[in-house]
Amino acid sequence: KAGVTQTPRYLIKTRGQQVTLSCSPISGHRSVSWYQQTPGQGLQFLFEYFSETQRNKGNFPGRFSGRQFSNSRSEMNVSTLELGDSALYLCASSFGLAGGMWEQFFGPGTRLTVL
Amino acid sequence: EDKVVQSPLSLVVHEGDTVTLNCSYEVTNFRSLLWYKQEKKAPTFLFMLTSSGIEKKSGRLSSILDKKELFSILNITATQTGDSAVYLCAINNNDMRFGAGTRLTVKP
Repeated sequence: KAGVTQTPRYLIKTRGQQVTLSCSPISGHRSVSWYQQTPGQGLQFLFEYFSETQRNKGNFPGRFSGRQFSNSRSEMNVSTLELGDSALYLCASSFGLAGGMWEQFFGPGTRLTVL
Repeated sequence: EDKVVQSPLSLVVHEGDTVTLNCSYEVTNFRSLLWYKQEKKAPTFLFMLTSSGIEKKSGRLSSILDKKELFSILNITATQTGDSAVYLCAINNNDMRFGAGTRLTVKP
C-alpha cells in the first residue's frame, strides 16, 4: 500500500509570494491534516479536511488555507509569504471516521524556505 | 490554552537501558492520546491510547494512559541505537496538539 505522498519536497520562495503544496493520502483515507514544523514552535496543527470539508482548524492566520478534492487529495496554500513561514510542512492522512483524526500516517513533508 | 508537556526534553542512555518518557496534558476531554517517533523525516505512529489504565505494547515499547492524573508514559526496554529519535506525544481533540518532544539518544 503506497504511503502518503507530498509534492514538491523542497521549495524556495521570496517574501510576498504565494505557494501551493500538495498531499495525496493513503488509498481509502478520507481525512487529511496539515502541520507546520519549526525548530522553535515544534509541530503545530494547521487544519484537517474530511470529505472535502474543513472539519477542524488550528490557530493560524487566514493566509493559510486549504482544500480537499473528491479523491481525498488535498492542497494547502500560503499567500503573502513571510520569512517566518519557512518550515517543514507535513501532511497526514487517516480514515477519519467517528469524527476524529485518530491514527495518522505522515508524508515526508515539504521543506519551504522563504527568502 | 490546552497544553501538552513532555519530559525530559532530552535523554542520553546506553544500549540495554530502560527509559520512561513522560507526557502530561491539561486537556480534560479528548478523543485519544498518540505517541509518535520522529527520526530524520516525518513522524511514525507508535500508539493510540483512548482508555485509562490499559497498557498498549509493541515489542520493546509500551505505553499507558492515566486520565485521572492527566499523563501518559512511553516505556522502551532494552534500548538499541535505532531507538534514537524524538518521541512526540499528541492529544487528539478537535485538533491535534503536540508536545515539544523528548530527544532520546542511545549510545552503543
